[in-house]
Amino acid sequence: SQELEQSPQSLIVQEGKNLTINCTSSKTLYGLYWYKQKYGEGLIFLMMLQKGGEEKSHEKITAKLDEKKQQSSLHITASQPSHAGIYLCGALRGSNDMRFGAGTRLTVKP
Amino acid sequence: GAVVSQHPSWVICKSGTSVKIECRSLDFQATTMFWYRQFPKQSLMLMATSNEGSKATYEQGVEKDKFLINHASLTLSTLTVTSAHPEDSSFYICSARDYRGNIQYFGAGTRLSVL
Repeated sequence: SQELEQSPQSLIVQEGKNLTINCTSSKTLYGLYWYKQKYGEGLIFLMMLQKGGEEKSHEKITAKLDEKKQQSSLHITASQPSHAGIYLCGALRGSNDMRFGAGTRLTVKP
Repeated sequence: GAVVSQHPSWVICKSGTSVKIECRSLDFQATTMFWYRQFPKQSLMLMATSNEGSKATYEQGVEKDKFLINHASLTLSTLTVTSAHPEDSSFYICSARDYRGNIQYFGAGTRLSVL
């Protein structure tokens, strides 16, 4: 079973709309990473969160990690077709390898 | 950001042949690299952790004799799929962690098709 639960599994939004993707863990996260993947390509690093309550932003994407370090959200403001892709949250298991959620497939309609 | 180069990006081979995939960290040293496998519309599954100068650590259910990993230098890890069969067809992605910022970067992936 997935150690990280992502929701929703897929999302279709109209261009210009805001959206939120969630990532939940049953265990405390030592580091939470957000990546974006286009079909058939590698993963592009977006953001890393380590501290409880931490929030980071890059252009129109904001990621937050809750105080308990068990839930993270990724928020996109005024979505554009270029935001389309698969968003994956990843967490370090122990101090070494990274495990991923199932991913959220985002489609942005022009 | 740091770059991880993976080659080839796409390979087609006949059943029974072996295929080697290379993963290079271009601007940082990586004592540890990771190999993932991804099936269509699914997330990444960790296959093995590649350790420079020592044996790789394989996840449960991954055949080490089928998927040979070599990490001979601090910037290069290779995955060799031996005696490939159609069920080995998949998308393979490598990654390396840049410990300067504790960020894991990924290669562009290799699509393997075994006929």
